Amino acid sequence: EVQLVESGGGLVQPGGSLRLSCAASGFTFSDHYMDWVRQAPGKGLEWVGRIRNEASHYTTQYAASVKGRFTISRDESKNSVYLQMKSLKTEDTAVYYCARVTRYTYDYWGQGTLVTVSS
Amino acid sequence: DIQMTQSPSSLSASVGDRVTITCRASQGISNYLAWFQQKPGKAPKSLIYAASSLQSGVPSKFSGSGSGTDFTLTISSLQPEDFATYFCQQYNSDTVTFGQGTKLEIK
Repeated sequence: EVQLVESGGGLVQPGGSLRLSCAASGFTFSDHYMDWVRQAPGKGLEWVGRIRNEASHYTTQYAASVKGRFTISRDESKNSVYLQMKSLKTEDTAVYYCARVTRYTYDYWGQGTLVTVSS
Repeated sequence: DIQMTQSPSSLSASVGDRVTITCRASQGISNYLAWFQQKPGKAPKSLIYAASSLQSGVPSKFSGSGSGTDFTLTISSLQPEDFATYFCQQYNSDTVTFGQGTKLEIK
């Protein structure tokens, strides 16, 4: 059974940093790109970024709204993907989901982790 | 970025009805279009990819069509568990974008 479990969310002050994790199981992690998607309270879905697999040289891509502040990485030995967030703003408050990329879109999502940026 | 516009933003329907949701892309995206269902407080669920292909385990009451800029999601014989918010997503470009969502409510 494919499972994606996010962790690391919480309350952080504006300008602060936070690192989210997504632990994957039930599939061959190295075969897949992985994305982060977020959803602000009561709002729609916003793509955050992507990390490709080794075959695609672990390249990353980011939404303009987070580029330069967020970094996606992955650890094949732990079957995990990470989202390092810096210089956080109040508008980064959202539930953050990781999603498995298959055929360039998503087939599985994690349950999400809430990040609240507030003083 | 490619903009995705869904219509309507909200829709009221009755159990047993058939409904159609539309998604329009600001430029051609071939068939690189997916649909997701989201219930309150839950993660999205993947329904359709490549505009018309059902994800594994998704019932055939869901169907998708379209190519280029105009796409539809049709849900037949609505059941109580189908009332949710539906999002389209384009993945034609390197930057993925979503529609704003369509909230399907019980009439």
